[in-house]
Amino acid sequence: GQSLEQPSEVTAVEGAIVQINCTYQTSGFYGLSWYQQHDGGAPTFLSYNGLDGLEETGRFSSFLSRSDSYGYLLLQELQMKDSASYFCAVRAYGGATNKLIFGTGTLLAVQP
Amino acid sequence: DAGVTQSPTHLIKTRGQQVTLRCSPISGHKSVSWYQQVLGQGPQFIFQYYEKEERGRGNFPDRFSARQFPNYSSELNVNALLLGDSALYLCASSLAMGSSYEQYFGPGTRLTVT
Repeated sequence: GQSLEQPSEVTAVEGAIVQINCTYQTSGFYGLSWYQQHDGGAPTFLSYNGLDGLEETGRFSSFLSRSDSYGYLLLQELQMKDSASYFCAVRAYGGATNKLIFGTGTLLAVQP
Repeated sequence: DAGVTQSPTHLIKTRGQQVTLRCSPISGHKSVSWYQQVLGQGPQFIFQYYEKEERGRGNFPDRFSARQFPNYSSELNVNALLLGDSALYLCASSLAMGSSYEQYFGPGTRLTVT
């Protein structure tokens, strides 16, 4: 089977740095994506790691270790607008199928 | 440029009925995926279509079906609705199969089954 684990909630203050971890168990692993979803909104793509290492996009960075089946999303200089749910998602394949499997999400609350 | 569009925005149906949800991808995107999101959970993968062919299927019963048209728009059909089908149904598009890690989501259709 396939499963992804993330912390359910994280709280941090404005200006701080926060790390959201994701561990996965899946067959046919291609890579790990991260999505942000504000309450009542649609998920929006943040970053993707197809190879081990760190990817940086502005205030957001994402890391992947295939050998540990582990990744994280790092958010720096937190702003109030970063309060949202964050999902890791595994791009997996099996035979002729191709699918994106989402984790249960981490609710980030940024406090002033 | 227009993003992914979905219709209708909201829908209320009765148990046993059938529903059709529609999605138009971003212009130039050839792959469309459907997801079901229950409150407090992550999106659950239902289908992926690319070039009008089914390329991925999640763990959903045969009551769920979909198709993609020559203009790359897509429909999701759900038959014999159950109370548990109440959820937000999201459509997402990507350029191609190889770029399906980067998907652009529509605003979703909120389905309520009573």
